[in-house]
Amino acid sequence: NAGVTQTPKFRVLKTGQSMTLLCAQDMNHEYMYWYRQDPGMGLRLIHYSVGEGTTAKGEVPDGYNVSRLKKQNFLLGLESAAPSQTSVYFCASSYWGTGEEQYFGPGTRLTVT
Amino acid sequence: GENVEQHPSTLSVQEGDSAVIKCTYSDSASNYFPWYKQELGKRPQLIIDIRSNVGEKKDQRIAVTLNKTAKHFSLHITETQPEDSAVYFCAAYYRTGNQFYFGTGTSLTVIP
Repeated sequence: NAGVTQTPKFRVLKTGQSMTLLCAQDMNHEYMYWYRQDPGMGLRLIHYSVGEGTTAKGEVPDGYNVSRLKKQNFLLGLESAAPSQTSVYFCASSYWGTGEEQYFGPGTRLTVT
Repeated sequence: GENVEQHPSTLSVQEGDSAVIKCTYSDSASNYFPWYKQELGKRPQLIIDIRSNVGEKKDQRIAVTLNKTAKHFSLHITETQPEDSAVYFCAAYYRTGNQFYFGTGTSLTVIP
């Protein structure tokens, strides 16, 4: 099993550009999450999904959109990138959400200039 | 929502000594408390977790304690080794909101 994978690993965007980050998991997990990690601020939840076709807002959802068209994939979109979105983005998944171990992807380092 | 505070933000110990990291949470509905270790440039990885119906859990050199009344939980690493050097994050699962809230991390350095 590949576990949780993320594409791309690195990306540099100019302000106003758009992009989509892809998260894929092959563990048949129901729950998937997108976090951003900034220095000194830990991991903050952007959006999450409790199953195929469902999404919900997390702690810091503004400026991001998500979609979960297939159970194994969770996409994070930036419609108009801003320098404040420079961060490391981690995807995670868990079998259920109610207090189950989350498995993290390797991360995507995004820089917005 | 939930708020998780983690202390200290940095910790240096001599090899062989113990390290303790403490977290407090705000919402009594939280029922699951994992600890993650993150090495530089790597993904967070679960090292130990505890549920609200348990007061203490141990796995070799690592232990976690939970005080539900005081709403705090702690990570204890004994006989520290240089490979324990990393950033450690605590988290609390906020059951009502289906979300994990993370502490801001503790950078642990074990000095050989």
